[in-house]
Amino acid sequence: SQQGEEDPQALSIQEGENATMNCSYKTSINNLQWYRQNSGRGLVHLILIRSNEREKHSGRLRVTLDTSKKSSSLLITASRAADTASYFCATDSGGSNYKLTFGKGTLLTVNP
Amino acid sequence: DGGITQSPKYLFRKEGQNVTLSCEQNLNHDAMYWYRQDPGQGLRLIYYSQIVNDFQKGDIAEGYSVSREKKESFPLTVTSAQKNPTAFYLCASSNFNEQFFGPGTRLTVL
Repeated sequence: SQQGEEDPQALSIQEGENATMNCSYKTSINNLQWYRQNSGRGLVHLILIRSNEREKHSGRLRVTLDTSKKSSSLLITASRAADTASYFCATDSGGSNYKLTFGKGTLLTVNP
Repeated sequence: DGGITQSPKYLFRKEGQNVTLSCEQNLNHDAMYWYRQDPGQGLRLIYYSQIVNDFQKGDIAEGYSVSREKKESFPLTVTSAQKNPTAFYLCASSNFNEQFFGPGTRLTVL
C-alpha cells in the first residue's frame, strides 16, 4: 500500500528556477524522508524530517512538514540541469519494523 | 569503499524459470530490504529482514523468496509462481533511519 502521494506527477522548469514538490500521506508518521532517483539507478537519500520538526534545510533543499495537514513539501532552489530526476517521499510510521512506504514520485525536468 | 551492490545489472529469464538476484552490503547494517519498481511507479516492498536468519513479507511477497544467512547478504529469488516478474528490483540496507540503495537489477522475462 502506498502512503505518500507526490504532486505534481511531473514538473518541467528552466535552469535557475525553483522547484516545489508536495507529498501527502494518510496516517501518523515518525518521520518523512525525501529520496532522489536518476533514471535507471538506485535511490539516494536527500533529507529526513522528524514529526516534531516543521522545517529543515540542506544546501539548496528546503523541506517543510505540516503534520496537521499530513503533508510535506520539498523545495529545490536555483535548479540545475543535473537536478533532473524523480523525487520520492517516504514515510516511516514508527514501530519496530523500520519499514518505509514510498509514494509514486515526481519527475522533475530542468531544462538548460 | 562502503556501499551496497547488486548483480547482475540486467537479467533475462525464460518463463517457468527461477532466478536469483544478489544483494551485498558492507555497511554493517542490520536491516535489508527488497523493492520492486514498475515504470512510472513508486517502490513496493517485497521482503525485509531486520536480523540474520529472520525476514518478513512485505506488501507483494507472493512469487518471491529470500534468505538471510549472513548479515552482508540478502538474495532474492523470483520464482516461476510470480505472474508478472518483469520489473526493476532494488535492494536497500538501513541503519534504521535512512535507507541506502543498490544500483538495481532489471529483470526481463522473455
